[in-house]
Amino acid sequence: TQLLEQSPQFLSIQEGENLTVYCNSSSVFSSLQWYRQEPGEGPVLLVTVVTGGEVKKLKRLTFQFGDARKDSSLHITAAQPGDTGLYLCAGGRQGGSEKLVFGKGTKLTVNP
Amino acid sequence: GAGVSQTPSNKVTEKGKYVELRCDPISGHTALYWYRQSLGQGPEFLIYFQGTGAADDSGLPNDRFFAVRPEGSVSTLKIQRTERGDSAVYLCASSGTGGFADTQYFGPGTRLTVL
Repeated sequence: TQLLEQSPQFLSIQEGENLTVYCNSSSVFSSLQWYRQEPGEGPVLLVTVVTGGEVKKLKRLTFQFGDARKDSSLHITAAQPGDTGLYLCAGGRQGGSEKLVFGKGTKLTVNP
Repeated sequence: GAGVSQTPSNKVTEKGKYVELRCDPISGHTALYWYRQSLGQGPEFLIYFQGTGAADDSGLPNDRFFAVRPEGSVSTLKIQRTERGDSAVYLCASSGTGGFADTQYFGPGTRLTVL
């Protein structure tokens, strides 16, 4: 059972466009992480958010954690071909093993 | 510095065979995780080690799966009597302490194909 639902599952856009991907759950998480994964490689951490309502920016990427800590979004401004990849959100729960619960991912393709 | 390494990168086996997958974590990391990623899915938790002990093995699908970390560094995931449904990429991750929101660093994975 996937506790984290990501949308859209696939996204193909032109270079320069903006986009937002979503990560939603009915469960509360202590932390929410976003990863990017390229073919043949493991996921690489982009950001961790831990406070409800928190917003973090990483260059052209903006991450937001919902007030209730059940959802998150990733917004990319002026997408570039180098942004192409699989974007995964993952939730963690404090006090446990810190195992991560992953969504299925959003496969982003940015065309030149 | 060296990241998490996994060997082999690819493993093809026949149904019913036994396989071992190896993970070398980042030096000094006490926490080690195994995940499994099937095609079109996100990684799914299997087991978590803190030092030498398995602190959480709730994700292991059945008793054909077993993992060890005898000296608190290298870990081996063992799968007995492999089935076609075991085909997936097996990912290993390590983190410094396994504490709250501690960054997990992933290896490139081992792609297991069961024929």
